Amino acid sequence: NAGVTQTPKFQVLKTGQSMTLQCAQDMNHEYMSWYRQDPGMGLRLIHYSVGAGITDQGEVPNGYNVSRSTTEDFPLRLLSAAPSQTSVYFCASSYQRGGTDTQYFGPGTRLTVL
Amino acid sequence: KNEVEQSPQNLTAQEGEFITINCSYSVGISALHWLQQHPGGGIVSLFMLSSGKKKHGRLIATINIQEKHSSLHITASHPRDSAVYICAVLPIPNFGNEKLTFGTGTRLTIIP
Repeated sequence: NAGVTQTPKFQVLKTGQSMTLQCAQDMNHEYMSWYRQDPGMGLRLIHYSVGAGITDQGEVPNGYNVSRSTTEDFPLRLLSAAPSQTSVYFCASSYQRGGTDTQYFGPGTRLTVL
Repeated sequence: KNEVEQSPQNLTAQEGEFITINCSYSVGISALHWLQQHPGGGIVSLFMLSSGKKKHGRLIATINIQEKHSSLHITASHPRDSAVYICAVLPIPNFGNEKLTFGTGTRLTIIP
């Protein structure tokens, strides 16, 4: 199993550009989530999904969109990038609902918005 | 005030020392997670516990629900244990959302 994969590993954007961070898992996990990690702060939940076709907002959803058309994939879209979105982004998955089961994390995407 | 507080923020120790990292939280919880973030950035789940104690190799995690406190211990520490250790809790009630709240992490450095 590849586990949770994320692409790209690094990305530099200009303010106003849009892009999609890709996340995929091959463990048949129903629960997937996106976090951002900023210096001096704990991981913060952006969006999550409890299954294909079902998504919901987390703690910091503004400026981001998600969709879940398949169990495997959970892309995160930045609609119009802002410097405040400079961060490291992690995708995670778990078999059962997120907090009640072991979390599997992707390797992260380091995003810089100029 | 963060719902999850970890101490110390930074810890440097000699190889072989017994390590303790603490996590205190202010709300009722149904589960607590310990995660390890490698220097390269990857995050790995170490433990999930809701009561008592769990052990895996040289790592031991304990939780005291009444005192709202958990500890992560590392015995016979090794330079490869150098990482950031993150505590996360699942607060109750959570209305079925199961959203974890994360601490800011403890950076551990083990010197050979």
